Amino acid sequence: GAGVSQTPSNKVTEKGKYVELRCDPISGHTALYWYRQSLGQGPEFLIYFQGTGAADDSGLPNDRFFAVRPEGSVSTLKIQRTERGDSAVYLCASSSAGARTEAFFGQGTRLTVV
Amino acid sequence: DAKTTQPTSMDCAEGRAANLPCNHSTISGNEYVYWYRQIHSQGPQYIIHGLKNNETNEMASLIITEDRKSSTLILPHATLRDTAVYYCIVRVTGLEGGSEKLVFGKGMKLTVNP
Repeated sequence: GAGVSQTPSNKVTEKGKYVELRCDPISGHTALYWYRQSLGQGPEFLIYFQGTGAADDSGLPNDRFFAVRPEGSVSTLKIQRTERGDSAVYLCASSSAGARTEAFFGQGTRLTVV
Repeated sequence: DAKTTQPTSMDCAEGRAANLPCNHSTISGNEYVYWYRQIHSQGPQYIIHGLKNNETNEMASLIITEDRKSSTLILPHATLRDTAVYYCIVRVTGLEGGSEKLVFGKGMKLTVNP
């Protein structure tokens, strides 16, 4: 597909479990972003990759959250020891390099921790 | 980070122009103003962006004041499908190679009425 793809679209997990969320960016986009969105709120920045490296991980809430992008394309957001407060929609976006270019968002993964 | 302020909500009649205001009084000289919208249960959708000149594309027009402390997004002929949450964002650019993240606020709910 031509757009940003996120899988799964929905994930239900038990408190304390480990989850992985996947993002396939638009082909050729070097920048990749992760956000999370709680009900009624705007998207909250988590981490930004430029190529394979995390250029800004200042939004990761704690060390239970980690993201990788080993080959500069697909990215995985990993959450350890999930808590009920982690329940949210996790959004991924990609763009060409530079602040002058728009970021394209995926449909998100809805994570529910029970 | 520069922040933006928007009204919480706005109504518009179908077929009329919708003028969505945004204040960004602390914007820096090299920061862009971006507008995104989010329709329920979808990822944010890019609308338009600008630096200091007015911009127009197939979706909307962006009017930025000369002092760059505020802007207005104009949807020239609003339709029911334009009902969404609209986000006015200042694009943060870090040092060379640094972050170019989008920092979302709570946005403004636009309701287009028949």
